Amino acid sequence: SFELTQPPSVSVSPGQTASITCSEDKLGYKYVSWYQQKPGQSPVLVIYGDSKRPSGIPERFSGSNSGNTATLTISGTQTMDEADYYCQAWDSRTGVFGGGTKLTVL
Amino acid sequence: QITLKESGPTLVKPTQTLTLTCTFSGFSLSTSGVGVGWIRQPPGKALEWLTLIFWDDDKRYSPSLKSRLTITKDTSKNQVVLTMTNMDPADTATYYCAHRGQYGDYVFGYWGQGTLVTVSS
Repeated sequence: SFELTQPPSVSVSPGQTASITCSEDKLGYKYVSWYQQKPGQSPVLVIYGDSKRPSGIPERFSGSNSGNTATLTISGTQTMDEADYYCQAWDSRTGVFGGGTKLTVL
Repeated sequence: QITLKESGPTLVKPTQTLTLTCTFSGFSLSTSGVGVGWIRQPPGKALEWLTLIFWDDDKRYSPSLKSRLTITKDTSKNQVVLTMTNMDPADTATYYCAHRGQYGDYVFGYWGQGTLVTVSS
């Protein structure tokens, strides 16, 4: 079955670069999107089509997807970026979310 | 401005059927390419994709829940309804509806605030 695997947690110091991965066999052949969710809030789309940013999303958010792994990169991470991040892709006419990664900025 | 809001019971008993309504504004579900989906999130756990309905009434379901889910739309009322049968305490979650549109594929660009549904006797 199609499953997206994310690390449960990632830590980064303010101002540094954070990388969150999402893995599945041949994921590079699919489009991946990323959502940010802060406590008590609804998810917000931050990346779609592997690397595109919706309007209003800061340039420090970027994405890539190749081989078996998609990566969300946050450059110059800010404390406001602390949140859960979920990748999403499609397979066999159904959507799938990854298990989520808690990004801690400290 | 696109907005979506979920409504329905906050408490259901095991074996009952859950019916949730998503009422939206700022778009029409008769416009080509548009869809509305449902996603849920158990307390402290990950998002889970449930179902999606398109402007042309095409429907997609999570394979693991397909036998229990039904999604319908009422374009004139700007509403999408989710029904889930045979509810279990494991179905306790916040249920979100979301808009699929300009970002293509099955990407949800706008989300409702979510509604917490507790399953308990």
